[in-house]
Amino acid sequence: GAVVSQHPSWVICKSGTSVKIECRSLDFQATTMFWYRQFPKQSLMLMATSNEGSKATYEQGVEKDKFLINHASLTLSTLTVTSAHPEDSSFYICSAPLAGGWKDTQYFGPGTRLTVL
Amino acid sequence: SQQGEEDPQALSIQEGENATMNCSYKTSINNLQWYRQNSGRGLVHLILIRSNEREKHSGRLRVTLDTSKKSSSLLITASRAADTASYFCATRTGNKLTFGGGTRVLVKP
Repeated sequence: GAVVSQHPSWVICKSGTSVKIECRSLDFQATTMFWYRQFPKQSLMLMATSNEGSKATYEQGVEKDKFLINHASLTLSTLTVTSAHPEDSSFYICSAPLAGGWKDTQYFGPGTRLTVL
Repeated sequence: SQQGEEDPQALSIQEGENATMNCSYKTSINNLQWYRQNSGRGLVHLILIRSNEREKHSGRLRVTLDTSKKSSSLLITASRAADTASYFCATRTGNKLTFGGGTRVLVKP
């Protein structure tokens, strides 16, 4: 089946630094990818839709200058958390729909746990 | 924002028992999907039911959808310890998936 990977799987950083998270579709192309954030024992909240070759679409309340998204190729989207603070500590998950196949199904990456000290 | 609520928030059962969880949503949908998440891990797609379907089965899973009540249920029959996880419903509208709050299921051996 389709596989989506994320790197790194976990990261610890100091407050004020920036962290980049990669999301890759390994055996299919994804013109669209989605980024979610999940706080402990809570549900996934959609942050933004990443579009290959164009600007990302952010959900209401998500700061686009804080969470930079770049979808440079059909298999890679990156999320950069700029000037991270402890309140940004969370589990970040990306997903990609399988175009041309069972398009209603999204494949999720394993997630990246970010801890900001 | 979350589409709706899942009920119950947590469920503890003995191995072999059935587990039922419900999901309500607020807007019109294309389809509704159920996912499983093991602690600290990514999501695994379980089953999808389209808006014109009322019931669907997959192995030990049974999903129902009532669009008039904007609700769905997931039944796991003959539960196993390995079914311990959080279960989320997600509704698809356009190209977006919106998740419910989730039900944490504990299956005790």
